[in-house]
Amino acid sequence: LAKTTQPISMDSYEGQEVNITCSHNNIATNDYITWYQQFPSQGPRFIIQGYKTKVTNEVASLFIPADRKSSTLSLPRVSLSDTAVYYCLVGPDGDKIIFGKGTRLHILP
Amino acid sequence: DTEVTQTPKHLVMGMTNKKSLKCEQHMGHRAMYWYKQKAKKPPELMFVYSYEKLSINESVPSRFSPECPNSSLLNLHLHALQPEDSALYLCASSQANTIYEQYFGPGTRLTVT
Repeated sequence: LAKTTQPISMDSYEGQEVNITCSHNNIATNDYITWYQQFPSQGPRFIIQGYKTKVTNEVASLFIPADRKSSTLSLPRVSLSDTAVYYCLVGPDGDKIIFGKGTRLHILP
Repeated sequence: DTEVTQTPKHLVMGMTNKKSLKCEQHMGHRAMYWYKQKAKKPPELMFVYSYEKLSINESVPSRFSPECPNSSLLNLHLHALQPEDSALYLCASSQANTIYEQYFGPGTRLTVT
């Protein structure tokens, strides 16, 4: 049973705000929500992590509702260089994290 | 220094060859990982080392043999691989108590002929 569900792909335009929503209906009490970004032919890069409410850093914001069954990664004013795959993860699962299928974000000029 | 380095960047090997992939980090991380990633798929965990000891082997075939000589180095020894083992092999590291924040290397692109 998949722990997370995300859209397979999304398109947006430069300068827009992009929101990627992830569903995690079976999230456990001690699970955190983590997002990674991966560019082609590179390793994933940790973007942001949260437990509840809102977290913001220099790259993105993460919104988590009170029931924690979903989360939304918000990327402000995207550019072409934000084209990447974005992975939502919940856990950790013991000594490991498990990547879901991810969302392919394509930014258009 | 927040970099994980991997060598080589590319590797082509025959099914009878023996080769090794190397990974190095100097962030003082005590957890290190090997992942395998096929094209357009998410990374799949292979092995986890915690404090230089193997803590997780995700039922990886024995033709892949990991080694952690010290807290900064991680090797993956390859022997008698199959063409379907061709993939991007990623190394990552993290603090032992914050495994959700992993630092990944650029990967080794392996082609088995």
